[in-house]
Amino acid sequence: GENVEQHPSTLSVQEGDSAVIKCTYSDSASNYFPWYKQELGKRPQLIIDIRSNVGEKKDQRIAVTLNKTAKHFSLHITETQPEDSAVYFCAASRGTNAGKSTFGDGTTLTVKP
Amino acid sequence: EAGVAQSPRYKIIEKRQSVAFWCNPISGHATLYWYQQILGQGPKLLIQFQNNGVVDDSQLPKDRFSAERLKGVDSTLKIQPAKLEDSAVYLCASSFWDKTTNYGYTFGSGTRLTVV
Repeated sequence: GENVEQHPSTLSVQEGDSAVIKCTYSDSASNYFPWYKQELGKRPQLIIDIRSNVGEKKDQRIAVTLNKTAKHFSLHITETQPEDSAVYFCAASRGTNAGKSTFGDGTTLTVKP
Repeated sequence: EAGVAQSPRYKIIEKRQSVAFWCNPISGHATLYWYQQILGQGPKLLIQFQNNGVVDDSQLPKDRFSAERLKGVDSTLKIQPAKLEDSAVYLCASSFWDKTTNYGYTFGSGTRLTVV
């Protein structure tokens, strides 16, 4: 089955700096890669996703890049703000059934004011 | 729009006891998922329903876990008997699935289970 590894497990940045979280996956047939943000005690929420026919996608301060050959994808957050502090999960799945994604173990991002 | 509702919010039980969690999906969402999220890990899919039928329960520990969605709307997940390693957050999610694409995939807030 699919195996998703996520790094780093914790990340601390100063407000205004950029943050990068990286994930690798094992199943070359995976073609849907969502990212979720989970604040303490709250539900995971989709923040951005990318499909395998696209190499990069951007939404305001967040962007995701995908390298299918190397089987890795990354989340980039620019101009970080304290409210970006949360746990971020990457995931991968075949097809477009987001519910069957395999999740990484999460990265705890702390943005220091 | 109302979100995915789950109850209870928290539950503490002793090992070997039974526990049940309830989930009410977003109206119109035929697909419902249950996940186990152990502290420090990502959610792990336990079971997927399409209406009242099970689509995938390959990762459900069937010796102690069971789930049902009798009328194709709300669902219950049960653990009997509970073990210490079952301590986790149990998340429910729902979506509209048209055989090609998920629409509106949304998580509930989860039930935090502590087994002592």
